[in-house]
Amino acid sequence: KAGVTQTPRYLIKTRGQQVTLSCSPISGHRSVSWYQQTPGQGLQFLFEYFSETQRNKGNFPGRFSGRQFSNSRSEMNVSTLELGDSALYLCASSLAPSEGDTQYFGPGTRLTVL
Amino acid sequence: QQQVKQSPQSLIVQKGGIPIINCAYENTAFDYFPWYQQFPGKGPALLIAIRPDVSEKKEGRFTISFNKSAKQFSLHIMDSQPGDSATYFCAASKGGANNLFFGTGTRLTVIP
Repeated sequence: KAGVTQTPRYLIKTRGQQVTLSCSPISGHRSVSWYQQTPGQGLQFLFEYFSETQRNKGNFPGRFSGRQFSNSRSEMNVSTLELGDSALYLCASSLAPSEGDTQYFGPGTRLTVL
Repeated sequence: QQQVKQSPQSLIVQKGGIPIINCAYENTAFDYFPWYQQFPGKGPALLIAIRPDVSEKKEGRFTISFNKSAKQFSLHIMDSQPGDSATYFCAASKGGANNLFFGTGTRLTVIP
């Protein structure tokens, strides 16, 4: 079974631009979560989607948004990019948002903002 | 504020040694405590997880010890190998939620 796939793997943008990242969960998984990983802040939860609905949201500004499609694929969007948005963005999928359901992470999208 | 505190930041052991990584949390609503392993260029991969109703869980060479009263949990790697060299993250979440709160990570180096 194929793992979580994320596209693109690498991205370079300039300040003020916007970016869209894509995540395809493991087949049959309906829950998708997004995390930001930076050397300074570590791994931080962005948001979680299940059945096309956002269930939880982390402490990030409104410039960060996401959505989930009927096939469980998810996208996240960052508008008006700032230098501090440079990070590895990780997507994780699980069967459902049940208690302690195992989350499987993708390889991430490395975003660099110049 | 860091919800899960992890130490040490880095750890170097000889092959066959038993590295121990510690984590502490404050939120008593947390009821799921996984450990993830991450290699450079890869996403984190689940190693082992525990719930607060047990004090220890072992899977292969990896053991989690859990102290509910102290709100601490730790990862022990028995007979460590150079291939175990990676960054390890502890995490915690509340029931029914997939939003994990991660520790800051421990970079483990196992010397042959």
